[in-house]
Amino acid sequence: DAGITQSPRHKVTETGTPVTLRCHQTENHRYMYWYRQDPGHGLRLIHYSYGVKDTDKGEVSDGYSVSRSKTEDFLLTLESATSSQTSVYFCAISESIPSGPYGDTQYFGPGTRLTVL
Amino acid sequence: DQQVKQNSPSLSVQEGRISILNCDYTNSMFDYFLWYKKYPAEGPTFLISISSIKDKNEDGRFTVFLNKSAKHLSLHIVPSQPGDSAVYFCAASGANAGNMLTFGGGTRLMVKP
Repeated sequence: DAGITQSPRHKVTETGTPVTLRCHQTENHRYMYWYRQDPGHGLRLIHYSYGVKDTDKGEVSDGYSVSRSKTEDFLLTLESATSSQTSVYFCAISESIPSGPYGDTQYFGPGTRLTVL
Repeated sequence: DQQVKQNSPSLSVQEGRISILNCDYTNSMFDYFLWYKKYPAEGPTFLISISSIKDKNEDGRFTVFLNKSAKHLSLHIVPSQPGDSAVYFCAASGANAGNMLTFGGGTRLMVKP
């Protein structure tokens, strides 16, 4: 199994509070991703990183920010959590871009279940 | 507007029979397709993939078929086993479609002993 951990694994918070989720990898992979999983929507990309301090937006980036100050850590921050951000959040890593037959497989962490009341 | 759709949210199959999971896409720029499998309380794991230059890829009990003209792919599991019970996500990507993976909504497969 790829060495990916997420913390916390579960969190309950209140609307309007800031929340930070952490993803840590031991594989030294260049690419890191944050997804959210919601019923009927599958996995949707929030933000991704292609190197230290290099990040870009995904499909559902509004209300989220990210930071990557070290290769192994990728943080997802909800500046002011809302109930619509209640979801399961997955971190993923890959050595290179996932696209195409020569692209790299994405490996996923175990997920963080976030509930915003 | 979802570019990758799995229209069956769930599927129930008897052990030993064939499971067929379907996926449709709308973006003609997609040229690489993948299936991921997810057990409860775990992250998705890669299962099998296919490039748009092929119409079939096989790996043991798992076969993925691609019909580009219909923008449709399917995953066949033969024979199905109880351990195959999971949620299956199809995903698509393309160098001209942003390179990132776009996932379908998932299909929950239940294989009954």
